[in-house]
Amino acid sequence: LAKTTQPISMDSYEGQEVNITCSHNNIATNDYITWYQQFPSQGPRFIIQGYKTKVTNEVASLFIPADRKSSTLSLPRVSLSDTAVYYCLVGLSGGYNKLIFGAGTRLAVHP
Amino acid sequence: AAGVIQSPRHLIKEKRETATLKCYPIPRHDTVYWYQQGPGQDPQFLISFYEKMQSDKGSIPDRFSAQQFSDYHSELNMSSLELGDSALYFCASSLGRLRDEQFFGPGTRLTVL
Repeated sequence: LAKTTQPISMDSYEGQEVNITCSHNNIATNDYITWYQQFPSQGPRFIIQGYKTKVTNEVASLFIPADRKSSTLSLPRVSLSDTAVYYCLVGLSGGYNKLIFGAGTRLAVHP
Repeated sequence: AAGVIQSPRHLIKEKRETATLKCYPIPRHDTVYWYQQGPGQDPQFLISFYEKMQSDKGSIPDRFSAQQFSDYHSELNMSSLELGDSALYFCASSLGRLRDEQFFGPGTRLTVL
């Protein structure tokens, strides 16, 4: 499975856009990129998944360059409630596959 | 909408005791996963089941076992508990063929004294 590298922590302020970049140099052809969010003492929650180019949903956007060796999760206009740990995962798509969590990014949103 | 249910939510055990954690997946989900998250750690995959058969195995100690029953609920059995087993245990479920998203339960916090 491709190893991922993310910033350990990030700080932002309410209303700002936050971009978290994940490096995955060894991503395989069949791998997808998935982001999960986790609040303290809660289970992770799926945010977004993509394979290439750009994916957008109601909470985030995911930008993936052509070489797919990195990806960027973009959170528009963050609020205090977006303070959480964000995990970038790379692996096969399909609901059968286990999630391999690396070290996530601890995002702190300040007033 | 129905979510993944885990019980108990909190459990306190002594060393060398046994514990059983239960997971009730979202209705019609056919795949169940177990994850362990130690204090300050990232979630680690333990084991998964698809249609009541073990589908994958991760870093699950030999002292642990799990199964999925005919009603799709799953149980994680833990024996000879050690202090290092103290952690949050999450169960997740998914509908394997159609969706890529795993839905996590609220977790069981196990404390071993």
